[in-house]
Amino acid sequence: DTAVSQTPKYLVTQMGNDKSIKCEQNLGHDTMYWYKQDSKKFLKIMFSYNNKELIINETVPNRFSPKSPDKAHLNLHINSLELGDSAVYFCASSRFPVQGVAEAFFGQGTRLTVV
Amino acid sequence: SQQGEEDPQALSIQEGENATMNCSYKTSINNLQWYRQNSGRGLVHLILIRSNEREKHSGRLRVTLDTSKKSSSLLITASRAADTASYFCATDFNQAGTALIFGKGTTLSVSS
Repeated sequence: DTAVSQTPKYLVTQMGNDKSIKCEQNLGHDTMYWYKQDSKKFLKIMFSYNNKELIINETVPNRFSPKSPDKAHLNLHINSLELGDSAVYFCASSRFPVQGVAEAFFGQGTRLTVV
Repeated sequence: SQQGEEDPQALSIQEGENATMNCSYKTSINNLQWYRQNSGRGLVHLILIRSNEREKHSGRLRVTLDTSKKSSSLLITASRAADTASYFCATDFNQAGTALIFGKGTTLSVSS
């Protein structure tokens, strides 16, 4: 049973297209995240959701829109894709932070390539 | 926001040797975590150490935390080829602790 699953694993698309990445967790966690990892392996927080509510939106362009239909799902929709959006996107989840963020569980990542 | 900085950026050792990675951060923390990332995979949590703890062990892993120096170290003893991966430290994104912020990672190569 995969704890945090993302689909698709690979995504190759042309500039200007709109695409979505889906994420589901079966851990019963309240908090979910999207991270972007660039080619130098630098991980940057994009969004943090708690109980379907947006907590963090870390200066991400408006072209990126997260959607949380329920606590177990956090999808990422990207409009008008640009070359610079090419990266690996990770979904993660954790229990609600109490005295700091708890152990986070990560999905396997979605490698997005914009051509 | 703060960000952890790992040192060294890359480390190559032989099987059986110990590997030590260091992490520094900028502001006060609630806890500090270490994660491993194998090539092409997601991150896996290794260990969490709270700000009031100084040392923690988990199997072949030993983590220390020095809040006065705002630094932590991860020691992997008796390294194996399977330990080859990138290792990241992570701290709270902000005081509310609503997300993790990661360092740039140390790439460890263990050769047999």
